[in-house]
Amino acid sequence: QQQVKQSPQSLIVQKGGISIINCAYENTAFDYFPWYQQFPGKGPALLIAIRPDVSEKKEGRFTISFNKSAKQFSLHIMDSQPGDSATYFCAASWGYSTLTFGKGTMLLVSP
Amino acid sequence: DAGVTQSPTHLIKTRGQHVTLRCSPISGHKSVSWYQQVLGQGPQFIFQYYEKEERGRGNFPDRFSARQFPNYSSELNVNALLLGDSALYLCASSRPLGGSYNSPLHFGNGTRLTVT
Repeated sequence: QQQVKQSPQSLIVQKGGISIINCAYENTAFDYFPWYQQFPGKGPALLIAIRPDVSEKKEGRFTISFNKSAKQFSLHIMDSQPGDSATYFCAASWGYSTLTFGKGTMLLVSP
Repeated sequence: DAGVTQSPTHLIKTRGQHVTLRCSPISGHKSVSWYQQVLGQGPQFIFQYYEKEERGRGNFPDRFSARQFPNYSSELNVNALLLGDSALYLCASSRPLGGSYNSPLHFGNGTRLTVT
C-alpha cells in the first residue's frame, strides 16, 4: 500500500528557530516529493519539491533533505517566522500517478 | 492569471441529498484532479481527468462521480450523502497529467461541504 508517514503531528517553534518536519515512504517507485503549505480556509499551495536523484534542494528559507536509502525526506524552515504558521503536508508520487499525502504537521511559530 | 476556482465555497446538505461541486482550472491546464480533505487529515485522491477522460480513480464508493467538459472545467457529483462525506473538497489542475516534478498540481481553495 502506498503510504507516506509524516511527523510530528504538531510543532511549536520560536521565532528565528528552525522548524523540521519529517516524512517516510514505502514505495521505492516514488520519484517526486513535494511539500505543500496550507493556511486555514485555503487550499494547499506548492512550497518546494525534490526528485530522488538530488539529496538536497534549497529555496530561500526552505530546504528539502532527501535520504533515498532510508526512504525519508524532511522539510527544514530556517529563521522561522510567525507568518510560517500553517499546516504542512509532504506528498509523493511516481510517473503521472496521483499524489499520496501525509497527514500533515500543524506548525506554530511563536513571536 | 487566475488560479483554480471552485464553487460554491460552502455548502450545507442533508443526508441522502445529492451535491454538485464545480471547478475551473488554470488557463491552459488540461488536467483536473479531485481530492477530499477531512478535518485534520491530508487530502485523499478521488478522481483525475485529462482531456475529458478519467485517468484515475481513488478508493471512493460509486456514489462519487465526476466529469470534465470540453473547456476543461469539471464537476464532482456525490449522491446519497452521508454524514461522513462532510469535508473540504479540493480541485487541482495541471498542464498535462499532474502529480510530477514537471507537472505539479495547483490547488483551489476548495468547497467546504457539511452534511447534517
